[in-house]
Amino acid sequence: ETGVTQSPTHLIKTRGQQVTLRCSSQSGHNTVSWYQQALGQGPQFIFQYYREEENGRGNFPPRFSGLQFPNYSSELNVNALELDDSALYLCASSSRTSGSEQYFGPGTRLTVT
Amino acid sequence: AQKVTQAQTEISVVEKEDVTLDCVYETRDTTYYLFWYKQPPSGELVFLIRRNSFDEQNEISGRYSWNFQKSTSSFNFTITASQVVDSAVYFCALSEAYTGTASKLTFGTGTRLQVTL
Repeated sequence: ETGVTQSPTHLIKTRGQQVTLRCSSQSGHNTVSWYQQALGQGPQFIFQYYREEENGRGNFPPRFSGLQFPNYSSELNVNALELDDSALYLCASSSRTSGSEQYFGPGTRLTVT
Repeated sequence: AQKVTQAQTEISVVEKEDVTLDCVYETRDTTYYLFWYKQPPSGELVFLIRRNSFDEQNEISGRYSWNFQKSTSSFNFTITASQVVDSAVYFCALSEAYTGTASKLTFGTGTRLQVTL
């Protein structure tokens, strides 16, 4: 069984640019959630996708957007990057059979300069 | 609104010592889940345990044990005979009851555990 994978591992962008992060969910999982973890903090919920539709959103501005594809993989897009967007972005997948348990990927470390 | 507080920012122990990580939570929900995750330096969050709010029985898994007390809104985590490999950041998290899709997790700020020889 393949776990959750994320790409790229690390990314450096300049303020004002746009970035796309990718996540492949664990086999059989149809729900993907994205979290932002600033240095020294706990992860913060960005949004969740279920069956290609947004299914809940945290307190993040509209320049954070996402997609989920028919194979349940997902993208997180961030426009007009700001310095405070520098963080570890974590993707978690789950399914009806996993219930409330979410399985996390290794994350993408984004640095905005 | 849900909130999780982990008052201990960093704990240092010598190998083989027992250590308890504290977690206090706030929620208006009557049904909810509590979790503990481990985050090693690699960054990936590793699931350790889930506890349903209806189940207040303590749980033991090897060197790990968890004490859930609804009366004090606490869900503490004890590592017995700590090992260097236990060094990591540990997060306590809270979610609403499962409604068909996993609910968002509200995390605490984490406790960094350093185990030395």
